[in-house]
Amino acid sequence: QGQLVQSGAEVKKPGASVKVSCKSSGYTFTGYWMHWVRQAPGQGPEWMGWINPQSGDTKYAQKFQGRVTMTRDTSISTVFMELRRLRSDDTAVYFCARDGVIGADAFDIWGQGTMLTVSS
Amino acid sequence: AIQMTQSPSSLSASVGDRVTITCRASQGIRNELVWYQQKPGKAPKLLIYATSSLQSGVPSRFSGSGSGTDFTLTISSLQPEDFATYYCLQDYNYPYTFGQGTKLEIK
Repeated sequence: QGQLVQSGAEVKKPGASVKVSCKSSGYTFTGYWMHWVRQAPGQGPEWMGWINPQSGDTKYAQKFQGRVTMTRDTSISTVFMELRRLRSDDTAVYFCARDGVIGADAFDIWGQGTMLTVSS
Repeated sequence: AIQMTQSPSSLSASVGDRVTITCRASQGIRNELVWYQQKPGKAPKLLIYATSSLQSGVPSRFSGSGSGTDFTLTISSLQPEDFATYYCLQDYNYPYTFGQGTKLEIK
């Protein structure tokens, strides 16, 4: 069925960078795009972008262009999301989510989330 | 970006009630609308995609309808485990955007 396991919580200072990992298991890693979604405390989710694990192609929300990079390492079935020049309003839970429904962009498997706190 | 507006923002209901949540898009999105359920401290769970297709394993009391700009999620008979927050998501164009959520509480 598949599972996504993310790296642990992070605390960063403003201006720093963070890199979150998302390790896949139980399905063909290169067969499904992976999206990143974040959710600030008490807020709705916010879509950040996707990566195609097979080709490495990416698409980012314009809001994050220039600050975010999504990469993958097929040898360990893991995708990464790096966010740079962190601000306090980047404090949120970051989720990876598999685009697993054929013919529709729908996220059927989610990681457990990684809490990022940005504070001086 | 397409704005997704959900209503109501919160709703109190009882076990066994029929409940409808609406989601309105700021422009037409064909049928490219997804519904998620989220419980506190957990990741969202996929319920319905492409407006009305039920995700595998989701109970049939959940259903979705609509097209263009107006969409609904209906729970035909609320169960205790359905009390949660529900979000719609448009995946018609980038950036994908979520509604602000509807919190379903026990009356």
